[in-house]
Amino acid sequence: DTGVSQDPRHKITKRGQNVTFRCDPISEHNRLYWYRQTLGQGPEFLTYFQNEAQLEKSRLLSDRFSAERPKGSFSTLEIQRTEQGDSAMYLCASSPARTSSYNEQFFGPGTRLTVL
Amino acid sequence: AQKVTQAQTEISVVEKEDVTLDCVYETRDTTYYLFWYKQPPSGELVFLIRRNSFDEQNEISGRYSWNFQKSTSSFNFTITASQVVDSAVYFCALRGLNRDDKIIFGKGTRLHILP
Repeated sequence: DTGVSQDPRHKITKRGQNVTFRCDPISEHNRLYWYRQTLGQGPEFLTYFQNEAQLEKSRLLSDRFSAERPKGSFSTLEIQRTEQGDSAMYLCASSPARTSSYNEQFFGPGTRLTVL
Repeated sequence: AQKVTQAQTEISVVEKEDVTLDCVYETRDTTYYLFWYKQPPSGELVFLIRRNSFDEQNEISGRYSWNFQKSTSSFNFTITASQVVDSAVYFCALRGLNRDDKIIFGKGTRLHILP
């Protein structure tokens, strides 16, 4: 399968616990994006990477959130001390970074987080 | 600021009826892209269409058609002869050419097709 993959697909945790999600982008895609989708809302941008550099972070990304892409390939999103308000679908997308053409974003299946 | 408004939160129609989902957007960019995505109950985002702001031609793909009106900043989506499998949440979205590619989504319209 050559699409964007995310792991786990579902995560249930208790408030206060830490969780980590993983995203594997399409091979050779330089850019990787994280979005969050809460119930009844559209996806909202959280952060994005160009290779291993995190170039932008949304104000939605509180201090409890940290994202990494250490080798410019897969990325992890960690949430510390989870709160019930963190319950959402976390979507990852990747795209190439060609300057001469449109760079389509391809979305993964998402990780659905439930904080009890 | 960029913004996408989908005023219809939820729509229900009987199978085989036509239905139009409205989308109004705001942007200061002169070049931008508009999208529609489908999100079935399983949760994944399914890409339906992308339009460049310079291309105002309407597009038809099977039972789906899109009406892009730059003068009114609208990008409406019509499903003809709806089917139960069309039941999903539909998102309209916007992306500027030079805004690091992040996509701005509307809040979505939940479409119920009743048998």
